[in-house]
Amino acid sequence: IAGITQAPTSQILAAGRRMTLRCTQDMRHNAMYWYRQDLGLGLRLIHYSNTAGTTGKGEVPDGYSVSRANTDDFPLTLASAVPSQTSVYFCASSPGPSKNEQFFGPGTRLTVL
Amino acid sequence: AQSVTQPDIHITVSEGASLELRCNYSYGATPYLFWYVQSPGQGLQLLLKYFSGDTLVQGIKGFEAEFKRSQSSFNLRKPSVHWSDAAEYFCAVTPNDYKLSFGAGTTVTVRA
Repeated sequence: IAGITQAPTSQILAAGRRMTLRCTQDMRHNAMYWYRQDLGLGLRLIHYSNTAGTTGKGEVPDGYSVSRANTDDFPLTLASAVPSQTSVYFCASSPGPSKNEQFFGPGTRLTVL
Repeated sequence: AQSVTQPDIHITVSEGASLELRCNYSYGATPYLFWYVQSPGQGLQLLLKYFSGDTLVQGIKGFEAEFKRSQSSFNLRKPSVHWSDAAEYFCAVTPNDYKLSFGAGTTVTVRA
């Protein structure tokens, strides 16, 4: 059982380039989330999806977009990357509302130069 | 808006000693409360959670946490730490929706 997979593991990207971080879960969870982790700030929610076909904005959504075409996949796109988007990105999923445990992927380390 | 404060950025503890990590939240009602652990280079793993009922909750790896409503706190404890407990620990809270708010984290170093 893989749980949540994220790709790529790490990436160095030139500023202005478009980048999509991939996230796939095989647990048939309804809810999925994208967080960024920065030193001293903990994890901050970028976007979330309560169920396939719906998405919502988190705490720091600017510069990012998501889609949820099906239950398993929740890609995060940076349309035009900027250096301040250098971070570690974590995808997570949960069966339903936040009363349930969120399961985290291994993360993607993104560097924007 | 709710917030989560972890006052200690870094704690060093000797192997076999006790450990307590502090967490305070700011929210009008009692939220759902969680502690997660992140080992180096890994994602987050749930240690324990509190929704209601008994204010002392047991988790995995020998951890426990106590909810104190009067202090808006949810401190994590372990009676005797092992070298493998060296990690970063995050407190998280949520009201009754889908979104978790995380504290900034506490890094635990275990010395032999």
